[in-house]
Amino acid sequence: GAVVSQHPSWVICKSGTSVKIECRSLDFQATTMFWYRQFPKQSLMLMATSNEGSKATYEQGVEKDKFLINHASLTLSTLTVTSAHPEDSSFYICSARDRARAQHFGDGTRLSIL
Amino acid sequence: EDKVVQSPLSLVVHEGDTVTLNCSYEVTNFRSLLWYKQEKKAPTFLFMLTSSGIEKKSGRLSSILDKKELFSILNITATQTGDSAIYLCAALRSGAGSYQLTFGKGTKLSVIP
Repeated sequence: GAVVSQHPSWVICKSGTSVKIECRSLDFQATTMFWYRQFPKQSLMLMATSNEGSKATYEQGVEKDKFLINHASLTLSTLTVTSAHPEDSSFYICSARDRARAQHFGDGTRLSIL
Repeated sequence: EDKVVQSPLSLVVHEGDTVTLNCSYEVTNFRSLLWYKQEKKAPTFLFMLTSSGIEKKSGRLSSILDKKELFSILNITATQTGDSAIYLCAALRSGAGSYQLTFGKGTKLSVIP
């Protein structure tokens, strides 16, 4: 149980493109999902908390107009990196919180902006 | 400022050895301590510890939380090469109407044959 699917796994695109990443909880409902960013050899940095049916809560220093989050249902949250630039290249990971408040992670999306 | 500190940062052992990974935390509105294993992709959930002094076990892995001293340990007995990974601990805190994780930097475990 507690499977989280993240799609796509890897994206390579040109600078200026907008990229959408999907995070789905497959066998449980998640009112809250989280989006993290991980740089090489570093730990996960929380970007934002995504709440179903309401606006996301962004961590300090994260541009909400740059990283658009939509949590339209209890099983799906999306992160859109708008007008991506090379400095946005990173590993993006989502997690979904279960009833016990444990977080279960997707496999991550490796974003490379050329 | 909330912080989670893991030690050691890196560890190399031989197959069959037993290892202990440490995690200390200073987090406001602490709720639980979670352990994850991260290989090439995203972290895989191992344990969630909420009560102090109660050991959780899963096969060769076990973990315990000390809420008085603010630390947790993860034990792996009879290590195998497949245990090689980065082990992350994270403190779950409540605040601003949600529950959020603060991660440590991880312990990189390498198990050699």
